Amino acid sequence: QKEVEQDPGPLSVPEGAIVSLNCTYSNSAFQYFMWYRQYSRKGPELLMYTYSSGNKEDGRFTAQVDKSSKYISLFIRDSQPSDSATYLCAMSVVAGGGNKLTFGTGTQLKVEL
Amino acid sequence: GAVVSQHPSRVICKSGTSVKIECRSLDFQATTMFWYRQFPKQSLMLMATSNEGSKATYEQGVEKDKFLINHASLTLSTLTVTSAHPEDSSFYICSATSAQETQYFGPGTRLLVL
Repeated sequence: QKEVEQDPGPLSVPEGAIVSLNCTYSNSAFQYFMWYRQYSRKGPELLMYTYSSGNKEDGRFTAQVDKSSKYISLFIRDSQPSDSATYLCAMSVVAGGGNKLTFGTGTQLKVEL
Repeated sequence: GAVVSQHPSRVICKSGTSVKIECRSLDFQATTMFWYRQFPKQSLMLMATSNEGSKATYEQGVEKDKFLINHASLTLSTLTVTSAHPEDSSFYICSATSAQETQYFGPGTRLLVL
């Protein structure tokens, strides 16, 4: 069993839809959670960083963490064609950028006009 | 802020040759840099962690003599793929961090070994 599970998709939605992306994990030691966006043939770009259960909002993006269920989500409101990319969840046991990240496989999202 | 660059962005080489990839943190000093590889439609797999001025720590299954990593300064790390073979063809991505909360990634280098 992988430490982090993520549905690879592809997920196709119409423009303006609310998108829900999810990851589950098995290692209860994970305390810090990130969402990255990766456009084709580019490096990942950090979208959200959270470390506690609950919601964190940034513009059209909301990250949700449920540590009791070992489940994290990223919601995208009013989705745009420019949101079409692969979304990777990542998590770590210890805070600080110098620590190892464990990634999900990524979910490919396509927002259609 | 937090910009990381990689050079080259893509490289094609013949089997048996060596290829060097550079990773630079442009606007911060990176105490730690990471090297990942990513196969099509797969996630990032950590290859090694390098701290400035010390030897890199390699993940299990990654050959340190094949993938040479040098982190000579706080803004530069290099990955050299020695005696490259077609199975080394992949997307290589570096990330860098200082005392920040997380890693910032470079744009990646696409390596094709013929």
